[in-house]
Amino acid sequence: DAGVIQSPRHEVTEMGQEVTLRCKPISGHNSLFWYRQTMMRGLELLIYFNNNVPIDDSGMPEDRFSAKMPNASFSTLKIQPSEPRDSAVYFCASRGDTYNEQFFGPGTRLTVL
Amino acid sequence: SQKIEQNSEALNIQEGKTATLTCNYTNYSPAYLQWYRQDPGRGPVFLLLIRENEKEKRKERLKVTFDTTLKQSLFHITASQPADSATYLCALAGNYGQNFVFGPGTRLSVLP
Repeated sequence: DAGVIQSPRHEVTEMGQEVTLRCKPISGHNSLFWYRQTMMRGLELLIYFNNNVPIDDSGMPEDRFSAKMPNASFSTLKIQPSEPRDSAVYFCASRGDTYNEQFFGPGTRLTVL
Repeated sequence: SQKIEQNSEALNIQEGKTATLTCNYTNYSPAYLQWYRQDPGRGPVFLLLIRENEKEKRKERLKVTFDTTLKQSLFHITASQPADSATYLCALAGNYGQNFVFGPGTRLSVLP
């Protein structure tokens, strides 16, 4: 099993540009999470999908952020337009049953100049 | 609002000793609590899960306790080794695994 796959691993962009982060969860997992991690704020949950449906998006910072899960094997997190304060490591995680652990991907390090 | 605190930002201990990390929470009634380990440049890795009706769980050199009255979990690493050096995060979840929240983490350094 390849685990959770995220792409790209690193992204450097300029302020105002659109950024799209991608995630492929572990096959058979029905929950998917997007997190953002910074030194100042730690690991923050942005959005949580269950069976491809967004269940909790209260952590999405503002309208510039959007996430989709068109099918069970793919999700995207889009930032448009990006700002320097969006610079962080973005993690995707997937989970099987409710009481199981989350499996995290390697993360995407985003730098917005 | 919900708040999770972990005892200290950093903890240094001598090899062979027991490391004890604390996770305290307020304004939350979790259905379960998890502990994760995170190494620099990597995503968190699951270690242990304990449910609200359980007092203690063990796995090899790891032990976690959960006191819902005190709203506290303790995480112990016995016979610590330099390879145990990492950041340890506690995480709370409500029923059906919703409302998942991570603590700020404690950076543990085990000195040889």
